[in-house]
Parts: sequence; C-alpha cells; structure tokens
Amino acid sequence: NFMLTQPHSVSESPGKTVTISCTRSSGSIASNYVQWYQQRPGSAPTPVIYEDNQRPSGVPDRFSGSIDSSSNSASLTISGLKTEDEADYYCQSYDSNNWGVVFGGGTKLTVL
Amino acid sequence: QVQLVESGGGVVQPGKSLRLSCAASGFTFSSYGIHWVRQAPGKGLEWVAVIWYDGSNKYYADSVKGRFTISRDNSKNTLYLQMNSLRAEDTAVYYCARAPTTQWTSVDVWGQGTTVTVSS
Repeated sequence: NFMLTQPHSVSESPGKTVTISCTRSSGSIASNYVQWYQQRPGSAPTPVIYEDNQRPSGVPDRFSGSIDSSSNSASLTISGLKTEDEADYYCQSYDSNNWGVVFGGGTKLTVL
Repeated sequence: QVQLVESGGGVVQPGKSLRLSCAASGFTFSSYGIHWVRQAPGKGLEWVAVIWYDGSNKYYADSVKGRFTISRDNSKNTLYLQMNSLRAEDTAVYYCARAPTTQWTSVDVWGQGTTVTVSS
C-alpha cells in the first residue's frame, strides 16, 4: 500500500501561479494515472485533471497537471489565480496491489 | 443532465445497520462503474468501495471490508451501500461517484452526498 502526501495548505495572490504537489510514498508515480479534484466549501468535489494531465471539458486551461518521476510526485498548477479558485484540492491514484483507490490528504488553497 | 442523488443517510447507533442508495439519471447506468467515497467532518476524502458496470467485481477499502457491501440494480438505475456493524468512525458524508468507462479507478461525476452520523 502507498500514500499520497500533499501540503496541508498553500496561499498565493490573485493573478499569480501556484503549484500543489502530491508525492507517492512507494512505487512509481508513473505506474498509475493521477487525478485531481477541486472541492469548494459545502460542495461535492469536481474533477479538474484526469490521467495525469488531461482537463475535463469546461475546466479552464489555467489548470494543468504533470508528473515527475525524479521526485515521484504529481503536480497541479493553477495560473492566473482567481478568488474562485479558493478551495481544497485532492490528488488521487490507484493501488494495483490491492485494487484500491487512494486519495491524498488534500491541500487548502487560499487566494488572498 | 448526468445526475447522481444519494439518500438513506441519518443518525444510527453504533453496531446498527444502514443502507444508502444512489439514484442515477441522464446516462446509461449499466455501462459505468460506480464508487462510494466518504468524507468525515473536517477531514479529507476516503475511498470506500467500487462496483463494476455489471456488478461482476467489487472492491473495498480495508476499513470497511467485511462490514459494508456495495451492490447495484441496473434495472432501477440504482446503487446501494449496505453498512453493518457501524462505528463512530464511519460518521461522514457519503458520496456516490461515477467512474469513466475508460478508467474505472477514477471519478468523473460526483453526487451531492448523504450524511451518516453514528452516535448513541
């Protein structure tokens, strides 16, 4: 079994760029796709990135995803920050050793 | 439009049982795997279980294995989660969530959730 570790919180100013990391504790980050979900307060999550770097329709291109095998981590980058981007963000992958879905602990993004 | 609507949540005593339902509409339910994901108050997302489109495979998180059972009725476009031997730590908002046809290990549509409180 592996864990996905995210920073507890990040903050940045409107118009700037922020990157949220998601580090896999064991096994290769590249071995299973990584997804990212946005959850605004009081709402259900919504997907913003799937299959490492693909954007669902309707998600602005300010959102991008990548993986880095050297650090065994995935990243979500949001450029041109808007106040509406303030939310919790969760990474998610799959553990093929036990047929389980794994979520990161979540990162609270504050846009101030 | 594509919609998932959970129901069946409520307050239940420790050790008791509860069954959640998830009604699907706006898509061909029988073609999609569906997950249950929960979120304890103030905490992050925790995957609970998944069932394949035809019910042929079911997988569970270790924390619920042997106590929870996921099932579906494709004729009624409905997913279920039977929860037995409930514990205080099962208190959470429970979401049903659709898996895309190309990757059953992720989610492309989420319901709004139903709240389960386990308390004496």
